[in-house]
Amino acid sequence: AQSVTQLDSQVPVFEEAPVELRCNYSSSVSVYLFWYVQYPNQGLQLLLKYLSGSTLVKGINGFEAEFNKSQTSFHLRKPSVHISDTAEYFCAVSEANQAGTALIFGKGTTLSVSS
Amino acid sequence: GAVVSQHPSWVICKSGTSVKIECRSLDFQATTMFWYRQFPKQSLMLMATSNEGSKATYEQGVEKDKFLINHASLTLSTLTVTSAHPEDSSFYICSARDGRNGFFEQFFGPGTRLTVL
Repeated sequence: AQSVTQLDSQVPVFEEAPVELRCNYSSSVSVYLFWYVQYPNQGLQLLLKYLSGSTLVKGINGFEAEFNKSQTSFHLRKPSVHISDTAEYFCAVSEANQAGTALIFGKGTTLSVSS
Repeated sequence: GAVVSQHPSWVICKSGTSVKIECRSLDFQATTMFWYRQFPKQSLMLMATSNEGSKATYEQGVEKDKFLINHASLTLSTLTVTSAHPEDSSFYICSARDGRNGFFEQFFGPGTRLTVL
């Protein structure tokens, strides 16, 4: 079984500052990793995903994440945030190469961007 | 990209009534759909996995008789909350797996807010 730990429940930052949202996972098998964003009263939007290959993954809205197998981490970064990035961010994991498995989500990190 | 819709987006009902929520994959066939529940300011908790043409697989602690799931076609899964009570009030989100690209990526619906009075 897999599990996900998002190390920060809330991250307040000022506009145009860099941000890192931390995510660690646990699994005994190979995994796929994801970051999703959720705006209030909306569903989830995929920011980026790691399946295989390059450990640095670039996503939408200027976000990127780096897969670190030795540290079992998949931290999300953005060099300069905007007010519109204020939202809930979820890290998720699923077992690799298994079509029938669901995503396991972390508890989420609230990113609050202020001016 | 693949689109998943949910209907209704908001529903308010009286305690004791049943509510049906639909999840549709609009431009792809989804052999597998998932139902999640999200409490305010919390993460998504998987309720059940729904496979077309077969019975849903429920997660531990989820009452299958209360949360009825039907996946009758490759584009539609329904979640019926039977005899709803205030503690069933929550945000319900479905996702559908698109197998066309070989990876079986999941796409999420916009969610349904259920309020039971």
